[in-house]
Amino acid sequence: SQKIEQNSEALNIQEGKTATLTCNYTNYSPAYLQWYRQDPGRGPVFLLLIRENEKEKRKERLKVTFDTTLKQSLFHITASQPADSATYLCALDMYSGGGADGLTFGKGTHLIIQP
Amino acid sequence: NAGVTQTPKFQVLKTGQSMTLQCAQDMNHEYMSWYRQDPGMGLRLIHYSVGAGITDQGEVPNGYNVSRSTTEDFPLRLLSAAPSQTSVYFCASTPLGGNYEQYFGPGTRLTVT
Repeated sequence: SQKIEQNSEALNIQEGKTATLTCNYTNYSPAYLQWYRQDPGRGPVFLLLIRENEKEKRKERLKVTFDTTLKQSLFHITASQPADSATYLCALDMYSGGGADGLTFGKGTHLIIQP
Repeated sequence: NAGVTQTPKFQVLKTGQSMTLQCAQDMNHEYMSWYRQDPGMGLRLIHYSVGAGITDQGEVPNGYNVSRSTTEDFPLRLLSAAPSQTSVYFCASTPLGGNYEQYFGPGTRLTVT
C-alpha cells in the first residue's frame, strides 16, 4: 500500500543552525510534493510545492529537494529561529496523479528551535 | 477575504446524534476537501469535491456524507455519531491550476461521548 513516512520524533535544533526534515514515500509516483507548517490549534499552512521534474525549490530561508529515484524529499530551514518551531507536514497527490482533488499527508515532524 | 471558515469551532455530541459541520470559502476555489486529524495518525482525507455538484470519497469516508451545491459551501454531515469520530476536522479549498496549494480552515474540534 502507499505510505508516507516522516520522522515522528521531535527534532531539536540550535538557533542559527540548519534544520533538515525528511519525507519518504513508497509505492507511488506523485506528480508533486508539498510541505506545510502547522502550529498548535491551527490548520496547516502551505509553504512550498516541488514537481516531479524539479530537483530543488527555494523560498527565502526554505529549501526543498525531491529525489524521485530515492522516493524522498528533504526540507531545509537555514538560519533557524525559535519562531520556526512548529510541526511540518509533507503531502503528496495520492488520489489524482497530478490534480488538486485531495492530498495524502505524512504524520508530521515536530521541530523545536532552541535559543 | 475571510478565506476558509468553519463552524462550529467546538462541538460535543452524544453517540447516535447527527450534525453538520459547515465549511465556506470566498476565494472562488474549484476544489474543496475535508480531512480529520487524530493524534499519531496525521491528516486523513474524508471526502473531496472538484466542483459544484461533484463529490468523491477519500481515505476514510464511512460515517460521513457531503454535498456541494455551490462553489462556496461544502458541508460535512455525520449521520449517526460514534466515539471513533472524535477528532479535529479541517476543511480546505484549492484554486484551479497553480501550485495546488490547499488553504485550510481553523478546524472544528468534535467530541463524541
